[in-house]
Amino acid sequence: QVRLQESGPGVVNPSETLSLTCGVLGDFLGMYCWNWLRQPAGGRLEWLGFVCHNDYTYNNPSVKSRITLSRDSSRGQVSLEVRSTTPADTAVYFCARWNVAWRAFDVWGRGTRVTVSS
Amino acid sequence: VLTQSPDTLSLSPGERATLSCRASQIVDSTYLAWYQQKPGRAPRLLIYGASSRATGIPDRFSGSESGTDFTLTISRLETEDFAVYYCQHYRESLMLNFGGGTKVEIK
Repeated sequence: QVRLQESGPGVVNPSETLSLTCGVLGDFLGMYCWNWLRQPAGGRLEWLGFVCHNDYTYNNPSVKSRITLSRDSSRGQVSLEVRSTTPADTAVYFCARWNVAWRAFDVWGRGTRVTVSS
Repeated sequence: VLTQSPDTLSLSPGERATLSCRASQIVDSTYLAWYQQKPGRAPRLLIYGASSRATGIPDRFSGSESGTDFTLTISRLETEDFAVYYCQHYRESLMLNFGGGTKVEIK
């Protein structure tokens, strides 16, 4: 059974870069795409993008120019970088595995809370 | 755009819950999923392909579709079912959206 564990700084100053990692315990090298999503307090889930087993990446156009997704096979990790942060980036950030056959997110991490504030 | 209704559903254990998710345009039901989320927890996949239960999901959860309207039904609410439920749709053009959620609370 795959488990995902997000980690991050907790608090970031506005305009700084936010860096998050997601450790994948289990099958990391299979043909999967690993996604990042976020959810502001009391708000709707927002899909940010994904990085796949073949290093193909895609960013949601809503944040496309500000984010970078990557993966490190040697560490079994995927990473998210968000540049030029504002308070609107305050949210719980989740990583999740995309099930290609089901067209849904079948495994989720517990999320990491990020606050953008000075 | 996915619109969920009602915002909140107040029911008692043992009752039937009917949650709606309406798409603003015709969508491929193959790509419609439902999730359950409890406070402080990650979402949990319940239904994919509009009507197929994910692994380990009890059969009191069922999904259906009618045109642009999708429904999640919980036949008999149990205490652990009180949570927020989200629908999600994916397009092959790499667009993915969630609905605003329906909270099922204890009456």
